[in-house]
Amino acid sequence: GDQVEQSPSALSLHEGTGSALRCNFTTTMRAVQWFQQNSRGSLINLFYLASGTKENGRLKSTFNSKESYSTLHIRDAQLEDSGTYFCAAAYNYAQGLTFGLGTRVSVFP
Amino acid sequence: DTTVKQNPRYKLARVGKPVNLICSQTMNHDTMYWYQKKPNQAPKLLLFYYDKILNREADTFEKFQSSRPNNSFCSLYIGSAGLEYSAMYLCASSRARGSQNTLYFGAGTRLSVL
Repeated sequence: GDQVEQSPSALSLHEGTGSALRCNFTTTMRAVQWFQQNSRGSLINLFYLASGTKENGRLKSTFNSKESYSTLHIRDAQLEDSGTYFCAAAYNYAQGLTFGLGTRVSVFP
Repeated sequence: DTTVKQNPRYKLARVGKPVNLICSQTMNHDTMYWYQKKPNQAPKLLLFYYDKILNREADTFEKFQSSRPNNSFCSLYIGSAGLEYSAMYLCASSRARGSQNTLYFGAGTRLSVL
């Protein structure tokens, strides 16, 4: 949507390398959630952040609400990391999330 | 158990016929959502139930209906399917209390309207 801008739209990585995905928000958001879309089209929850940084394995995410952006870092990329990554944000806790258009990540051997 | 279950996984429908999709969760979540996902587009929120209160997005207000007979179940109803309804329909739920509002998604129902 217009309120959530994801970049890049596509990303190619060699196995073992890393990169960062970014979401910029055009309005103040209270929380952000990152998802990986699997091959069947369903959304797998990666992180939920109301602030700060979270890390899980080779993934790390940061949410800076004051500067209206969030990042998702992938390190030591593996083939199974391929897929579309979505960020989604909430401007209040009672509403649904507004999604970005996604970043299509392709990991090559 | 953080599972949100959707039935069926795949649905074929004829133009002009009704469609009913089912979602359930056993996490006692306050809120249940329905999103529509088309290829190369962001998931789009259609409506959500907070407890027994239904909230429908303005641009899809007349196209989709929903019911939530109890906390665990939520349906999405299309009265007369059109070709434009072909999409993946994703159900999600959340606790919706305080600052922890993680959404958990089901596997989706892929609807094809012919």
